[in-house]
Amino acid sequence: GAVVSQHPSRVICKSGTSVKIECRSLDFQATTMFWYRQFPKQSLMLMATSNEGSKATYEQGVEKDKFLINHASLTLSTLTVTSAHPEDSSFYICSAKGAFWDTATEAFFGQGTRLTVV
Amino acid sequence: GQNIDQPTEMTATEGAIVQINCTYQTSGFNGLFWYQQHAGEAPTFLSYNVLDGLEEKGRFSSFLSRSKGYSYLLLKELQMKDSASYLCAVMDSNYQLIWGAGTKLIIKP
Repeated sequence: GAVVSQHPSRVICKSGTSVKIECRSLDFQATTMFWYRQFPKQSLMLMATSNEGSKATYEQGVEKDKFLINHASLTLSTLTVTSAHPEDSSFYICSAKGAFWDTATEAFFGQGTRLTVV
Repeated sequence: GQNIDQPTEMTATEGAIVQINCTYQTSGFNGLFWYQQHAGEAPTFLSYNVLDGLEEKGRFSSFLSRSKGYSYLLLKELQMKDSASYLCAVMDSNYQLIWGAGTKLIIKP
């Protein structure tokens, strides 16, 4: 299957600082990337959908100025958590979709990033 | 609204069989997925159903009834490593995945 690499896997940052998370598709062109957040014992919550070369579409309740998403190329999308606060501590996961995904049978996920804001 | 329901937690014995149910109400349907997720890790793909019936893949099988909005994941010959959360997700008419909250499966010796 296709490979999606997410980095870093764990990050601890101080309150008020910004953190950047990268999501790369290693062997296919990701026309769309999805960013999810998962709090303990809860399901994946879609934060935003980003299409290459255009602005991301954010889900209701997600602050676009706080969670900056850039999808500048077909293999890389980044999520920047700006002015992080302890309540932003969570597990962030990206998944990537290629142009072929409409008929494919699985979503390709990154490994996830555990963010802890202290 | 769109809704995916599955039990919060289940317990089973090593070597036994367990069935995890999922019911859904979504705007359109383009398939149902089951994923396994160990704590602190990303989900991994288990199965995909788009037509009614049973799909078997080794120790895992998945069943779908579109008319009932119902699916189940059947795990046979349970092993301790099967302890994980199992996520049901439905792809809606916009090809977007709608996720259930997951079922935490606890395997006891």
